[in-house]
Amino acid sequence: DVKVTQSSRYLVKRTGEKVFLECVQDMDHENMFWYRQDPGLGLRLIYFSYDVKMKEKGDIPEGYSVSREKKERFSLILESASTNQTSMYLCASSSPLRGAPLHFGNGTRLTVT
Amino acid sequence: AQSVAQPEDQVNVAEGNPLTVKCTYSVSGNPYLFWYVQYPNRGLQFLLKYITGDNLVKGSYGFEAEFNKSQTSFHLKKPSALVSDSALYFCAVRDGWMNTGFQKLVFGTGTRLLVSP
Repeated sequence: DVKVTQSSRYLVKRTGEKVFLECVQDMDHENMFWYRQDPGLGLRLIYFSYDVKMKEKGDIPEGYSVSREKKERFSLILESASTNQTSMYLCASSSPLRGAPLHFGNGTRLTVT
Repeated sequence: AQSVAQPEDQVNVAEGNPLTVKCTYSVSGNPYLFWYVQYPNRGLQFLLKYITGDNLVKGSYGFEAEFNKSQTSFHLKKPSALVSDSALYFCAVRDGWMNTGFQKLVFGTGTRLLVSP
């Protein structure tokens, strides 16, 4: 079974802090993703990566950056946290095969005060 | 861009009754469609997908989905609902394909299913 592990289940940070969300997958997947989930908006893609050190912006990249130094690890960085970044953050991974499903972690619920 | 719509925020059904969670899609070309389920305080779990072939797709936990090209729909169904099926359900469509093998998914807004005893 694929396992995607997000390092924190809950985080509370102050406005202006730099925040790191970590994600590790154990299936040697090339593709990794960061989504945020908000009620009524579904999941929105922040950033994705299809290889080590490769990254692409998703639909809502503003205020975020990412790092992928190793294949199994994909980090999301909030450079200066703001209250509108309070959300559930979901990491996912997938193989490059056509139609391969995404495998999600359990999510990190971030509250910025 | 590809998109999916889930017209119902919530679906209520009694245990033992059949359930349907609706999804319509808008794509250019052939659609790759997916259903995911999210239980409380958990990430999303893959249920089933349609890529090609039979219009009726079977997935995990007794769920199935019917692909209807003329109606551009991909509704999720189960013949007999369980209380434990209560969760948030997301429809998704593949949006884009790169020759690196990368593909991303666009998700609907989700439908909450409540199954009463």
